[in-house]
Amino acid sequence: QVQLQESGPGLVKPSETLSLTCTVSGGSISSHYWSWIRQPPGKGLEWIGYIFYSGRTNYNPSLKSRVTMSIDTSKSQFFLKLSSVTAADTAVYYCALRPADMVGFDPWGQGTLVTVSS
Amino acid sequence: QSALTQPASVSGSPGQSITISCTGTSSDIGGYNYVSWYQQHPGKAPKLMIYDVSNRPSGVSNRFSGSKSGITASLTISGLQAEDEADYYCSSYTSSSLEVFGGGTKLTVL
Repeated sequence: QVQLQESGPGLVKPSETLSLTCTVSGGSISSHYWSWIRQPPGKGLEWIGYIFYSGRTNYNPSLKSRVTMSIDTSKSQFFLKLSSVTAADTAVYYCALRPADMVGFDPWGQGTLVTVSS
Repeated sequence: QSALTQPASVSGSPGQSITISCTGTSSDIGGYNYVSWYQQHPGKAPKLMIYDVSNRPSGVSNRFSGSKSGITASLTISGLQAEDEADYYCSSYTSSSLEVFGGGTKLTVL
């Protein structure tokens, strides 16, 4: 059974770059769409984007200018970089699997809180 | 890309049925049979309850069902139980291969 685990700094300064890693275990990363989703405290979910195992990406237009996703299939990891962060980027960041043969995110990582503050 | 529209809250008594609506546009819900629903308890990651409009993942109770008509999708929970109290989110595939979530609905079991 596939499991995902986010990791990265919990505190990022304004204007800097947020960097997170999602480690996949229990299954192959060499298929499917690997996604990032965030949730500001007390608010709803926001889809950030996904990366296909081949490296093809698709990003939320509202974040596209600041987002970069990448993947390392040899390490079963994929990555999120969000540049020029502000307090509005403070959120719990989740990584999730979107299988290639259905549309739905399952499973999800436990999430990691990233706070943007000086 | 605007968020899908959900009611902020719904409530029901144990044993009753409730329905949560999710309204989009012809570019998302109305254009594809790719709506999913998630349950989120406080402090926990969301859990997939319905995918591709009406399919339940293995292990999800058959008290949860999904449907779609035009640009509106619905999640129905029958035989409401205390453990169903949570936030519920819908999501849809959209044109340009994007995904969009609803604003979320808080379900209270009275």
